[in-house]
Amino acid sequence: DAKTTQPNSMESNEEEPVHLPCNHSTISGTDYIHWYRQLPSQGPEYVIHGLTSNVNNRMASLAIAEDRKSSTLILHRATLRDAAVYYCILRDVRGVGNDMRFGAGTRLTVKP
Amino acid sequence: ETGVTQTPRHLVMGMTNKKSLKCEQHLGHNAMYWYKQSAKKPLELMFVYNFKEQTENNSVPSRFSPECPNSSHLFLHLHTLQPEDSALYLCASSQDRRTGELFFGEGSRLTVL
Repeated sequence: DAKTTQPNSMESNEEEPVHLPCNHSTISGTDYIHWYRQLPSQGPEYVIHGLTSNVNNRMASLAIAEDRKSSTLILHRATLRDAAVYYCILRDVRGVGNDMRFGAGTRLTVKP
Repeated sequence: ETGVTQTPRHLVMGMTNKKSLKCEQHLGHNAMYWYKQSAKKPLELMFVYNFKEQTENNSVPSRFSPECPNSSHLFLHLHTLQPEDSALYLCASSQDRRTGELFFGEGSRLTVL
């Protein structure tokens, strides 16, 4: 079973910021938080990951709560091409068992 | 282009057929994964190979048989499947089981008649 929970769907207007939340209350100290997205008719693609500190890359920002039990993926200016299902997953650096499980994700709709 | 190539992209087979799905990665990665994505369901992790050794089998029925002859190639052999096995089968790779993001192929869409 997935160790993360996300809202089923969210909507955003084009050119506006989007904050996609993820809860992972049972996260362990060796779990990295990874985000992927799946565009229609494609396999998932990597977006960003982090451990404790907030992270930025060209695609998005990742804000991690101080207790690490939740995180938020931030798309600074949503475009129509950002419409996708966004997945938050945990990846254990020890390479053991129950990580790498995808949940249902959040389906993001971007309105023009 | 993610560097992970899956063939065939579409496959239709009867319940008595034997077929195989192929995955190839050109990224120099050492871990490879099979995921199943059924309609209306999340991605399900099926198998994990790390340095050619199977490290996880997520309670997958024996009618699915994986093979990893080297770190660049991963196969999923299919035999006596059921209609409910119809799904998108996704292959992914990463640096190794512990590190690196996953790179996914575009998937093989399987229909079992």
